[in-house]
Amino acid sequence: AQKITQTQPGMFVQEKEAVTLDCTYDTSDQSYGLFWYKQPSSGEMIFLIYQGSYDEQNATEGRYSLNFQKARKSANLVISASQLGDSAMYFCAMRVSSNDYKLSFGAGTTVTVRA
Amino acid sequence: DAMVIQNPRYQVTQFGKPVTLSCSQTLNHNVMYWYQQKSSQAPKLLFHYYDKDFNNEADTPDNFQSRRPNTSFCFLDIRSPGLGDAAMYLCATSRVYNEGSYNEQFFGPGTRLTVL
Repeated sequence: AQKITQTQPGMFVQEKEAVTLDCTYDTSDQSYGLFWYKQPSSGEMIFLIYQGSYDEQNATEGRYSLNFQKARKSANLVISASQLGDSAMYFCAMRVSSNDYKLSFGAGTTVTVRA
Repeated sequence: DAMVIQNPRYQVTQFGKPVTLSCSQTLNHNVMYWYQQKSSQAPKLLFHYYDKDFNNEADTPDNFQSRRPNTSFCFLDIRSPGLGDAAMYLCATSRVYNEGSYNEQFFGPGTRLTVL
């Protein structure tokens, strides 16, 4: 079975500062993908960034980067230059090749950006 | 823009009164999913369709059913809603090219269900 762990229920960050959201995972599959989603209070889930298990470079998308440490089974999300609009719930998720359709989600981290 | 649409955004029903939530997509994706998300929790997968093939999660109550009449539409039927079924219901789609492809799931805006 796959498991995603997000140990930070909530975080505060000052506007314009960077914030790191922790995510660790557990799987016996060698081939898998890791995703981060943002969910504002309005409810929609917004895809942010993806990292494949065989990708050698860390993924980046604008202000989002993924710090992928395969040996430690961690996939932390870094948001640089935080903006007020970044206040939301953030979910780490994983999909494995042996169960290609299913995403396993972590419990989420609530980020509040302060002006 | 190609997207996933859910109607209605807010639904109020009475205890025990059947309710149907709808989802449509213009992405032409093979796979459509229904999730239940309760407050401050992760989404929980109820079932998914791969084309016309229905796949139920083992712990999804029988009270929840789904229909996919065509590629674009998928419905979630709750036969006899209980107070515990009040939640956000999220529809998502993905295109699976082949085994090992990790296309992201695209989510709709959700339907927030209230049970009185």
